[in-house]
Amino acid sequence: EAGVAQSPRYKIIEKRQSVAFWCNPISGHATLYWYQQILGQGPKLLIQFQNNGVVDDSQLPKDRFSAERLKGVDSTLKIQPAKLEDSAVYLCASSLEAQGSGYTFGSGTRLTVV
Amino acid sequence: QKEVEQNSGPLSVPEGAIASLNCTYSDRGSQSFFWYRQYSGKSPELIMFIYSNGDKEDGRFTAQLNKASQYVSLLIRDSQPSDSATYLCAVGRYSTLTFGKGTMLLVSP
Repeated sequence: EAGVAQSPRYKIIEKRQSVAFWCNPISGHATLYWYQQILGQGPKLLIQFQNNGVVDDSQLPKDRFSAERLKGVDSTLKIQPAKLEDSAVYLCASSLEAQGSGYTFGSGTRLTVV
Repeated sequence: QKEVEQNSGPLSVPEGAIASLNCTYSDRGSQSFFWYRQYSGKSPELIMFIYSNGDKEDGRFTAQLNKASQYVSLLIRDSQPSDSATYLCAVGRYSTLTFGKGTMLLVSP
């Protein structure tokens, strides 16, 4: 079974620029999550999709972050404009059922904002 | 605000010893409990999950849950240098996991 695919692996941008991350979950996984992990901290949930609907986006900074999951498969997370404090690893995860036996994470995208 | 607390460490143990990692959580409605291992520069990988009070064993790993005390722990027996990593405790309610900051474990040869 192929894992959760994410791209790019690394991205360096200047503050106020925009950036987008892509995620392809494990085939058949209905639930998709985007987490932000700042160095030295645990992952923090940004947004959760069930198929192509949003279940929880309460911690997503909606003035600059947006996410979509068209057709209930791939997802993109966008930041516009980026701030220095957005430097982090952005992790995508998917699960077959609600929680179930836990998530499978992708390899993440390391974003550096300079 | 749901919180998951872990001692950031590092927890240092010699090879062959038992490593004990602890986690407390604030949400009494939490339903499921997970331990993830994260090597430096890598993404978290699931080690174990537990839903009911008591112990659950898988190889060298034992997860312990006490819902009354809102406490979950992970024991690693016969610790190996390859176990050196950050261990993340995650607590679930419905379909969302809340993670702690993680405990760094260092196993010295």
